[in-house]
Amino acid sequence: DARVTQTPRDKVTEMGQEVTMRCQPILGHNTVFWYRQTMMQGLELLAYFRNRAPLDDSGMPKDRFSAEMPDATLATLKIQPSEPRDSAVYFCASGLGDSFNYGYTFGSGTRLTVV
Amino acid sequence: AQSVTQLDSQVPVFEEAPVELRCNYSSSVSVYLFWYVQYPNQGLQLLLKYLSGSTLVKGINGFEAEFNKSQTSFHLRKPSVHISDTAEYFCAVTRSSNTGKLIFGQGTTLQVKP
Repeated sequence: DARVTQTPRDKVTEMGQEVTMRCQPILGHNTVFWYRQTMMQGLELLAYFRNRAPLDDSGMPKDRFSAEMPDATLATLKIQPSEPRDSAVYFCASGLGDSFNYGYTFGSGTRLTVV
Repeated sequence: AQSVTQLDSQVPVFEEAPVELRCNYSSSVSVYLFWYVQYPNQGLQLLLKYLSGSTLVKGINGFEAEFNKSQTSFHLRKPSVHISDTAEYFCAVTRSSNTGKLIFGQGTTLQVKP
């Protein structure tokens, strides 16, 4: 089965450090989402891209978060500087346009702990 | 804007009993609806979806859901649960017009007891 690959799987970092999370969408998928999952807030949409262009990043704290797609096979989410409140599981998902026949495919997530 | 409310945060049930996980949505436009399942330490997996057509939708693992437009609901059901169904279940909605932005509910933890 085709998979969305996220790295690293787990990341522990100190407050103030830069964190970069990576996502490899399924080959041929042109829509990529970043979600954050916490116990308190549940699943929050941070940003999403279509054909590498950002369509909506209104859910993302702009002062410290940035999301990019350097090419069609890589999406990145950076936090600089990181804070303890950023501790969460970050999921990437990919899909084909707005075709929902197969839903979107989620990666296994990056569990971020900021101490 | 769309929103999703999952009415129960936790649902305990005994093995082989039926279960219903409730989901209500709010939208002023037509929508697509989804149920995803998340097993511990894993990503989300699509269970089923409603795009159009029959309001009763069948998904994987014996789950089904019914779209009720008048009640703006999309409840998930299974006639007989297994221990392996223990997981977090998320209802999600998106506008049926070209946005692709999925909005998730807070999730319902299904706890199947032996």
